[in-house]
Amino acid sequence: GAVVSQHPSWVICKSGTSVKIECRSLDFQATTMFWYRQFPKQSLMLMATSNEGSKATYEQGVEKDKFLINHASLTLSTLTVTSAHPEDSSFYICSAGPGDGEQYFGPGTRLTVT
Amino acid sequence: AQSVAQPEDQVNVAEGNPLTVKCTYSVSGNPYLFWYVQYPNRGLQFLLKYITGDNLVKGSYGFEAEFNKSQTSFHLKKPSALVSDSALYFCAIRGNFNKFYFGSGTKLNVKP
Repeated sequence: GAVVSQHPSWVICKSGTSVKIECRSLDFQATTMFWYRQFPKQSLMLMATSNEGSKATYEQGVEKDKFLINHASLTLSTLTVTSAHPEDSSFYICSAGPGDGEQYFGPGTRLTVT
Repeated sequence: AQSVAQPEDQVNVAEGNPLTVKCTYSVSGNPYLFWYVQYPNRGLQFLLKYITGDNLVKGSYGFEAEFNKSQTSFHLKKPSALVSDSALYFCAIRGNFNKFYFGSGTKLNVKP
């Protein structure tokens, strides 16, 4: 099946710094990718839709200036958490699909802000 | 709007016994329903999906789910639980533009 990768798998950063997370579709092209956030022992919440060649669309309550999304190519979307704070610590998961209605989820990135 | 609900935070079952993890859904139109499993600090693993067709869907690792339109349910089942099935299970519904909406998750504990 199709594979979606994320890098890094875990990252620790200091409060006030920015951190970038990559999501790649390895064997298919994706004009749309999605970013989810999962708090400990909670469900996944959709944050935003990453659109290749255009601006991302954010779900209600998600700060677009805080979570910058860039869909630079048909196989890569990046999520940058700007001026990170401890409350941004979370598990971030992306998904992508080849356009047939299927979605494949990445392995996730654990972000810890100290 | 579409949503799914998982009424149980945790399900405990003895190894070898059948297990059921419950999920109900709400949607206008036809539902596209999914089950995923998540192990600690790992991503989601796809188990099965219902798009159309037979109400009983068979998936990975011996899991199956029964779609019940009248009860708006999509419960996950397995005839004989394994200790290795212990994990976090998510029901999800696919909405417009391939957005996924997840239930709150159910922690399955299978005891030897």
